[in-house]
Parts: sequence; C-alpha cells; structure tokens
Amino acid sequence: AQSVTQPDIHITVSEGASLELRCNYSYGATPYLFWYVQSPGQGLQLLLKYFSGDTLVQGIKGFEAEFKRSQSSFNLRKPSVHWSDAAEYFCAVLVVRGGADGLTFGKGTHLIIQP
Amino acid sequence: NAGVTQTPKFQVLKTGQSMTLQCAQDMNHNSMYWYRQDPGMGLRLIYYSASEGTTDKGEVPNGYNVSRLNKREFSLRLESAAPSQTSVYFCASSEGAGLTTQYFGPGTRLLVL
Repeated sequence: AQSVTQPDIHITVSEGASLELRCNYSYGATPYLFWYVQSPGQGLQLLLKYFSGDTLVQGIKGFEAEFKRSQSSFNLRKPSVHWSDAAEYFCAVLVVRGGADGLTFGKGTHLIIQP
Repeated sequence: NAGVTQTPKFQVLKTGQSMTLQCAQDMNHNSMYWYRQDPGMGLRLIYYSASEGTTDKGEVPNGYNVSRLNKREFSLRLESAAPSQTSVYFCASSEGAGLTTQYFGPGTRLLVL
C-alpha cells in the first residue's frame, strides 16, 4: 500500500536560515509527488510537483524539491526562509485508482519561524 | 474565477443530525474529490468522482454519501452525524484522471457534539 512519511512533526528555523523538510514515500509504481502548503485557517496551496524529467523541481515562493528514487525521498528546500513561510507543509503522492487519482498525504510538518 | 468554493465554512451539529456539504468549481474540471483533515493525520480521501455521473469510495468512506450533481458540483452528505466525524473537510478538483494537479477549496469546519 502507498504511504508518505514526514518524519518531522515540528521544525523551528530562524528567519533568513535555510530550510529542508523531509518526505519519504512508499509506492509500487512510478511516484508522482507534490508539496502543498497550508496557512492557518486556509486551504491547501500547491508549491511544486514532480511527474518526470529533471529530478530537481522549482516551485513558487522560492521553494525547490529534489526527487531521489534510490532513497524514496522528495525533500523540500528553501535557501532563506521568511516569517511568512510559517505554515503547515504536506507532502503527497498521487495514487492511480482507475478513473480518478486521489492523493495520499503525509501527516504534515509544522514550520515555525523564529525572528 | 473563484476556483473551488465550499459552503458552509463552519457548522455545528448534534449527534444524529444530518447535513450536506456543498462544493462547486468553475474551472471546468472533470474530477472532484472530498478529503477530511484531522490533527496529526494529514488529509484522507473520502470519496472521489472521476467525471460527471460517476463516484467511488476512497480511504475513509464509512458514514458518508456523495452526489455529483453536475460537472460543477459535488456534495458530501452525513446522514447521521457522529462525534468521530468532527473534522475539517476539503473539496478538490482536477482536470481529470492522470497526471493532473488537484486544486483545493478553503475547507468546512464541522463540529459534531
């Protein structure tokens, strides 16, 4: 069965410091991977996605992620965080169900930005 | 272009009451989805609709029913609400099956007492 693991429930980073959020997946077929961000009280916004091709993908708000098949990982990175990046981050894998494709999400990582 | 809209934004129910959560999208998408989000659990798929006229169960369908009213609208019904259904419910839509992105609505917070 497919699954997504985000090992860090909370991460605290100082403003201006670099960030890496970890994501590991388990899926029998070729994985199609996503990172979403959820600000407090809001819906989910897509940051970036990986379907195929270049394993380093660029997203919005200065985020990037690298797909590493050998490690079953899709970690999210940002070189310098801003206070506005404080939010909940979800990694997800697209599961083909035959007709419509649902997302299987990790449990999320809560990012706290210290001034 | 509002994207995905959901009503209501917040609802309180008593155990055993029924209600319908509404979702609409204006992106001409074929596929629509209902997820629930619980603390520490991420989002879990309840039901999905690959196209108008079709619906199918996701990971956690028990206690719910859905209706794909037309291409734009996909409703989620709780026939007899239970406290375990206290959650935040998100609707999403995508162009269709395959490698397409899902776009999410703002969510409905449901409290069942």
